[in-house]
Amino acid sequence: GESVGLHLPTLSVQEGDNSIINCAYSNSASDYFIWYKQESGKGPQFIIDIRSNMDKRQGQRVTVLLNKTVKHLSLQIAATQPGDSAVYFCAEAYGNQFYFGTGTSLTVIP
Amino acid sequence: DADVTQTPRNRITKTGKRIMLECSQTKGHDRMYWYRQDPGLGLRLIYYSFDVKDINKGEISDGYSVSRQAQAKFSLSLESAIPNQTALYFCATSELPQGGGEQFFGPGTRLTVL
Repeated sequence: GESVGLHLPTLSVQEGDNSIINCAYSNSASDYFIWYKQESGKGPQFIIDIRSNMDKRQGQRVTVLLNKTVKHLSLQIAATQPGDSAVYFCAEAYGNQFYFGTGTSLTVIP
Repeated sequence: DADVTQTPRNRITKTGKRIMLECSQTKGHDRMYWYRQDPGLGLRLIYYSFDVKDINKGEISDGYSVSRQAQAKFSLSLESAIPNQTALYFCATSELPQGGGEQFFGPGTRLTVL
C-alpha cells in the first residue's frame, strides 16, 4: 500500500512564530494533496489542498509547498496561535483513494 | 447542526457481538466513506460508496460490511467484533471523487471491543 509519513511526530512553537510541518509521500504518481487539522475529540478538518501541477498555494495564514522532485510536502502556518494546537495530517490521492500520514502534533506555547 | 453526524459517539462491546455504526449527512453529497484511525497509523479506508447502489471495498474491509440506506445515510457493521477492531471510526462525505476535492468528516465513533 501507499505510505505517507511525517518527519516529526511532535512540534512545539511559541505563539506568534511561524510553524512548518513536513510530510513525505511515497507515490510519484499522486496528483492531489490535502492538509487536514484534527483537534482533540473531533474529525479531521480541511485546511488547504494543492494539485501536482502547482508547487505552492496560499490560504489564510497557511501555505502549502510541494516538491515533486523529492516527494515532499510542507505546511507553513504564519503567526501561530493557540487555536492552531492540533494534529496535522497530510494526505495524497492516488488511484481514486486517499492515503493519510500519521500526523504531527503541534503545540503552541503562549 | 453538524453536516456529518455519527452515532454512537462512544461504544464499548464484547468480542463476538454485532455492532452497527451510523452516519448521516446533510450536505447532499453522493459520495460517502468509512475510515478507521489507530494510534501511530494514518486514517485507513474501510468502505466507500459513490451513490445509493454503489459499494466499494477499501484498504481494510475484512471483518466489516456497510449499507447505504439512502443518499444521506451510510452505516458500518461489525458482524462479530474482535478486540483488534478497537479504534476510532470516521465517516466522511465528498462532492467529488477522492482526488477531486476535500472530504468532510464526522466527529468520530470511539469503539472499544473487550
